[in-house]
Amino acid sequence: DGGITQSPKYLFRKEGQNVTLSCEQNLNHDAMYWYRQDPGQGLRLIYYSQIVNDFQKGDIAEGYSVSREKKESFPLTVTSAQKNPTAFYLCASSIRLGVVGYGYTFGSGTRLTVV
Amino acid sequence: SQKIEQNSEALNIQEGKTATLTCNYTNYSPAYLQWYRQDPGRGPVFLLLIRENEKEKRKERLKVTFDTTLKQSLFHITASQPADSATYLCALDNQGGKLIFGQGTELSVKP
Repeated sequence: DGGITQSPKYLFRKEGQNVTLSCEQNLNHDAMYWYRQDPGQGLRLIYYSQIVNDFQKGDIAEGYSVSREKKESFPLTVTSAQKNPTAFYLCASSIRLGVVGYGYTFGSGTRLTVV
Repeated sequence: SQKIEQNSEALNIQEGKTATLTCNYTNYSPAYLQWYRQDPGRGPVFLLLIRENEKEKRKERLKVTFDTTLKQSLFHITASQPADSATYLCALDNQGGKLIFGQGTELSVKP
């Protein structure tokens, strides 16, 4: 079955620590995205990538970093510079940026908690 | 400023009734609008897409309308069932192909 796999499902971070969230897709999609979801708020875009070795900042990129070395993979690192990292993180993909007619496919999310 | 607003209060309805959820937006000119379903602790699942030149779209018990003059989309679930209970998100494209999401409306269908 094609889809997006996010891991781990739950992650705990200590103060001052960097953590990396994994996102892998086998849908052959060019575009991938990272969103953050907080209670009562819509999904907010952190970073997105249209193609391998290219990525762009979204609305709330500060304190985060990404890489896109392979088409299938788009890991997100939450750095110690992110002051309020506790949230539900969602990875998504789409055929190509701007292609109308298809929705995004989302992973099942990673819940990050600062301890 | 640009905003997408959905009913912030949960919608509670009786099984068999039609649920109607609202999505309003300001200062956007989207080419299309999408609706997603999200269950607790899970990622959103794509349901329907409607383009700016389409007034209405249907899929089984789901119906979406899109009024670009009112800047509003309505999402209807007819003959609702307890299994339809979830949070429903609207999303629109921000002219660059990226989706901007509303905060979602929680629907609860009681037997």
